[in-house]
Amino acid sequence: DIVMTQSPDSLAVSLGERASINCKSSQSVLFSSNSKNYFAWYQQKPGQPPKLLIYWASTRESGVPDRFSGSGSGTDFTLTISSLQAEDVAVYYCQQYYSPPHTFGQGTKLEIK
Amino acid sequence: EVQLVESGGGLVQPGGSLRLSCAASGFTFSSYWMIWVRQAPGKGPEWVGNTNQDGTEKYYVDSVKGRFTISRDNAKNSLYLQMNSLRAEDTGVYYCARDGGFPDYWGQGTLVTVSS
Repeated sequence: DIVMTQSPDSLAVSLGERASINCKSSQSVLFSSNSKNYFAWYQQKPGQPPKLLIYWASTRESGVPDRFSGSGSGTDFTLTISSLQAEDVAVYYCQQYYSPPHTFGQGTKLEIK
Repeated sequence: EVQLVESGGGLVQPGGSLRLSCAASGFTFSSYWMIWVRQAPGKGPEWVGNTNQDGTEKYYVDSVKGRFTISRDNAKNSLYLQMNSLRAEDTGVYYCARDGGFPDYWGQGTLVTVSS
């Protein structure tokens, strides 16, 4: 199974500042035949299911604010929130869908400093 | 609007069985792979398994292989998860999700508690 490891486990950032969350996969999730990274980011708030933010490593889901962006390729990925808003307080998860089981990271809790 | 509504959760004793259902609407159910994901209390999501459009192809995480079975009824726009030989570590919220290659729409989940 592919192991997804996020860093840090928790993060406190001031309103309006940049927040970055990292995720590393134990093997590449880049499919060479189509040059796509089979990688996604989710946001989860208490009592709610995870919400898709980013797929194919850098494609923003419809309706997701453009302050959220994804980058990276192969085994190393980053979710960046350019200017933190109060409503961004949540736990963020990465996931690979390159090969089953489609494993998730352990999560990064984002708080306001 | 895509809607996924899970049902069937509850309290069950270790070794018992439970069948979860997921009613789908707002999209052409028979055109999509579907997924079950679970989340233990205070933990991250765990992908349980998925099935293809006609139910002939299925994948499971190792921890549930031989105990859980995913099925679907496209005529009823429904997805199912039959869970047998349940263990305490199976406790959590179970979500069904549409598989657009990745889980793009999720239900609100149903809670399964395995305890004596």
